[in-house]
Parts: sequence; structure tokens; C-alpha cells
Amino acid sequence: NAGVMQNPRHLVRRRGQEARLRCSPMKGHSHVYWYRQLPEEGLKFMVYLQKENIIDESGMPKERFSAEFPKEGPSILRIQQVVRGDSAAYFCASSFEPTYEQYFGPGTRLTVT
Amino acid sequence: GQNIDQPTEMTATEGAIVQINCTYQTSGFNGLFWYQQHAGEAPTFLSYNVLDGLEEKGRFSSFLSRSKGYSYLLLKELQMKDSASYLCATTSGTYKYIFGTGTRLKVLA
Repeated sequence: NAGVMQNPRHLVRRRGQEARLRCSPMKGHSHVYWYRQLPEEGLKFMVYLQKENIIDESGMPKERFSAEFPKEGPSILRIQQVVRGDSAAYFCASSFEPTYEQYFGPGTRLTVT
Repeated sequence: GQNIDQPTEMTATEGAIVQINCTYQTSGFNGLFWYQQHAGEAPTFLSYNVLDGLEEKGRFSSFLSRSKGYSYLLLKELQMKDSASYLCATTSGTYKYIFGTGTRLKVLA
């Protein structure tokens, strides 16, 4: 049973470009959570999605960031017009139910130059 | 507000015992979690305490005092592979983790 998969593992973007981060949850999991880990900081909750629905986006910056989890395919975290401050590790987690029993993916490390 | 404090770095010797402390302030407490995170990898679950006291799991133990807002992770018989960051986390609501900044543990030979 494959774990949570994220790709790409490393992503380099120039300022102003778009970044698309993908997350495939564990098989059978329909709940996905995105976290951001800035250098020297803890993981911070960004958004929680269930298939085709955003349940909680209270941790997501209001501008330039969006997330989706379509009926088919992976969850996508999209960052438009990236800035240097977006450089971070972005982790996705999934669960069978909306609980703390979340399984984390290996993360995508975004570097904005 | 919600806040978690833990030391930034600790160093210990192979075979020794180390205790990593965590203090927290949170609303809607649903338990205290410890995760291990090796550099460049995903956090992996270590322990979960919701009641006061000590939970032992092999070389790792975790303690919780809800009245003091305090927890610690105890690692015994340290091995080189235990060099990692240890993340203390609590909860808000039913699914939202609040993580500390993590403690980087270096195990020396």
C-alpha cells in the first residue's frame, strides 16, 4: 500500500512564476491536508480538503494561493506569482476520516530565485 | 492564543538518555503528539498522549501533564539513527495540528 506521494520533490521557480504542487493521498483516503514549513519554523496548517470540497482554508494566504482536490486525480496546491518568501517545504497529509491520524508525504521543497 | 515551545537543539551521546521538553497553550485540547522528522523526509508519528501520565513504547516514552501544559519525550539507549528533529504538536478542533518549531537532536558517537 503506497504512502502519500508528492511531486515534484524539489521545485525551483523564478519570482513571478507559478508553482503547482501535487499530492496523491494514500489509497482509500479522501481527506487531504496541506502544511507549510518555513525555514526554522514549525509546520503550519494551510488547508483541508475533501474530494471536490474545501473544508477549511483558514491557514491559507488570501492571495495567490489556491488548492483543489478534484474527483479524479491528485490534490493540487497552486501558488501564483511566487515571491522569495514562498520558499519553504510544503507537506501534504491524508486521512481516512477527518482526524489526527494523518499520514504525511515526503514534501515538496520550493525554492524561489 | 495557541503556542508551543520546545528547545531548538540538543546534543547527546550514543547510548545515553535524552529528554525533550515541550510546553503548550492551546484551546480545544485533544491530545499531545510527538513526531520524528529526519532531514528532507516526512514527519512520522511517534506518540500520542491525551491523559496525564507516561506512555512507554520501546525506547521512546512520552509524558503529559495537562494542568501544567507540559509534555516530554524521553529517548533511551540513543542510537545514531535517532539524530533528527522531534516535533511537538497539539490540536485545535478535530483535525488541525498546531506544531512547535521542532528540536534538532544530534547524537554523537
